[in-house]
Amino acid sequence: DAKTTQPTSMDCAEGRAANLPCNHSTISGNEYVYWYRQIHSQGPQYIIHGLKNNETNEMASLIITEDRKSSTLILPHATLRDTAVYYCIVRVGRSGYSTLTFGKGTMLLVSP
Amino acid sequence: NAGVMQNPRHLVRRRGQEARLRCSPMKGHSHVYWYRQLPEEGLKFMVYLQKENIIDESGMPKERFSAEFPKEGPSILRIQQVVRGDSAAYFCASSPRNREGETQYFGPGTRLLVL
Repeated sequence: DAKTTQPTSMDCAEGRAANLPCNHSTISGNEYVYWYRQIHSQGPQYIIHGLKNNETNEMASLIITEDRKSSTLILPHATLRDTAVYYCIVRVGRSGYSTLTFGKGTMLLVSP
Repeated sequence: NAGVMQNPRHLVRRRGQEARLRCSPMKGHSHVYWYRQLPEEGLKFMVYLQKENIIDESGMPKERFSAEFPKEGPSILRIQQVVRGDSAAYFCASSPRNREGETQYFGPGTRLLVL
């Protein structure tokens, strides 16, 4: 299984960009990188995912390095509501299907 | 389009009782996954089901826990003879298929407290 490494916590000022790094040096060629977040006491919320190319949606951007060994989730203008635990997950394939393996994630604290 | 629904949102049981947790997947989704989050820990996969079939139950305790996803109706996670260690948040997720690049969407969870 490809494991991910994330910082335990990060701080960000409201209105600034939040850049959350993730290392996944053992990722396989057909494994996707997924990002979810969990706001306190709520269910995990899907943010974005990608394989090789950079991706952008209404919530965030995902930058994947050319060697795919690391990626960065960018929240362009962080708000207080973005305070949450952010999980970087490499989708593990097993017998034609896959489940999500959550690590400890990064606790992002957005301050006024 | 309603999201994944779970009920009850909170459930209190005494030791030895049974707990039944329900999950209604998003419309058009036939794949359901159950995850458990113990206090101060990350989510752990428990079981993956398709309609009427258990595909992977490798994360589910061998005893007292069972899951089903009948042809009609919600998926049920059943915990018999609950113990205090079963106190946790139980999350259900669903997807239309299961393959690389297919996203799982989570429900709000059921918080089980065993007294």
